[in-house]
Amino acid sequence: GENVEQHPSTLSVQEGDSAVIKCTYSDSASNYFPWYKQELGKRPQLIIDIRSNVGEKKDQRIAVTLNKTAKHFSLHITETQPEDSAVYFCAASIEVAAGNKLTFGGGTRVLVKP
Amino acid sequence: GAVVSQHPSRVICKSGTSVKIECRSLDFQATTMFWYRQFPKKSLMLMATSNEGSKATYEQGVEKDKFLINHASLTLSTLTVTSAHPEDSSFYICSAINRGAIYFGEGSWLTVV
Repeated sequence: GENVEQHPSTLSVQEGDSAVIKCTYSDSASNYFPWYKQELGKRPQLIIDIRSNVGEKKDQRIAVTLNKTAKHFSLHITETQPEDSAVYFCAASIEVAAGNKLTFGGGTRVLVKP
Repeated sequence: GAVVSQHPSRVICKSGTSVKIECRSLDFQATTMFWYRQFPKKSLMLMATSNEGSKATYEQGVEKDKFLINHASLTLSTLTVTSAHPEDSSFYICSAINRGAIYFGEGSWLTVV
């Protein structure tokens, strides 16, 4: 089955700096890669996703890159703000369809210091 | 967007008893729902895939007789933790897929005392 590794497990950045989280996956058939932000005791919130037919996607301060050959993808948050502090999870799946399950990375606890 | 609702949000039960958690898709039909467990400061671990009208598919290492899943309708899946023990205390969360997007329930905190 799919295995997703995520690094680093914790990340502390100064407000205004950039944060980068990296994930690798094992199943070359995976083609959907979402990123979730989870605050304590809350449900994961989708912040951005990418499918394997593109190499990069950007939404305001958040961007995701995908390298299919190397089987890794990264989340980039620019101009970080204290409200970006949360746990971020990457995930991988073969399509987003009934029966196709997400495999999550271990999570990265991001702390943005004012 | 689509809404997935879980109930209860928090539950405390005594060791040895059973507790049921409901996951509902409020504005769409879901033939498949997923149940995850998340321990404090850990990632979401898939427990099982709930299939409407048929048996759930359990992940390796998850006891199907302990974690009973029923998906009797296209909008409701239930997870029953039977003979609960303190080590079953965790955050349980469900998800469903609608039109190519994944929606999570609010999650349910289970504490077994």
